Amino acid sequence: GENVEQHPSTLSVQEGDSAVIKCTYSDSASNYFPWYKQELGKRPQLIIDIRSNVGEKKDQRIAVTLNKTAKHFSLHITETQPEDSAVYFCAAITVITGNQFYFGTGTSLTVIP
Amino acid sequence: DVKVTQSSRYLVKRTGEKVFLECVQDMDHENMFWYRQDPGLGLRLIYFSYDVKMKEKGDIPEGYSVSREKKERFSLILESASTNQTSMYLCASSRQGMKEKLFFGSGTQLSVL
Repeated sequence: GENVEQHPSTLSVQEGDSAVIKCTYSDSASNYFPWYKQELGKRPQLIIDIRSNVGEKKDQRIAVTLNKTAKHFSLHITETQPEDSAVYFCAAITVITGNQFYFGTGTSLTVIP
Repeated sequence: DVKVTQSSRYLVKRTGEKVFLECVQDMDHENMFWYRQDPGLGLRLIYFSYDVKMKEKGDIPEGYSVSREKKERFSLILESASTNQTSMYLCASSRQGMKEKLFFGSGTQLSVL
């Protein structure tokens, strides 16, 4: 099955700086890559996703890039704010198994005011 | 707005007990999932279901079983709870389709003593 690796496991940045979280995947058949944000004590929620026919997608301060050749995708958060502090999970969806989401191990982001 | 409801937020059980974790969704989603969340290990899929009375094993099914008698309800069963099953359990649901997003419940923190 798919194997998703996520780095770093923890990340601290100063408010206003950028944060980058990287994921790699193993199954070349994967074609959908969502990112979930989980604030402390709350459920994970989708913040952005990208499909394999697109190289980059942006939504205000959040962007995701995808390199299908290298099998990696990244989450970029610019102008970080304290409310960005959370655990972020990447995921990859394989074509064969439909909606079976394979998640990375998570990145705990702390934005220091 | 989609609602995925897990019956208990916190649960304390003793080793050897049979434990039922209930999950109900109100949006007529075909797919339902049970994940386990542990620090440093991310979200790991235990079981999932694409239809009523249908179940598929995920990555870590050992020690668990599931039941889906009705479309809106997906139950996770620990036949004989053990201390290594102490964890946060997250239920999720989604529509059928390759790129439908997951909606998560609030989670059940299970402690097995």
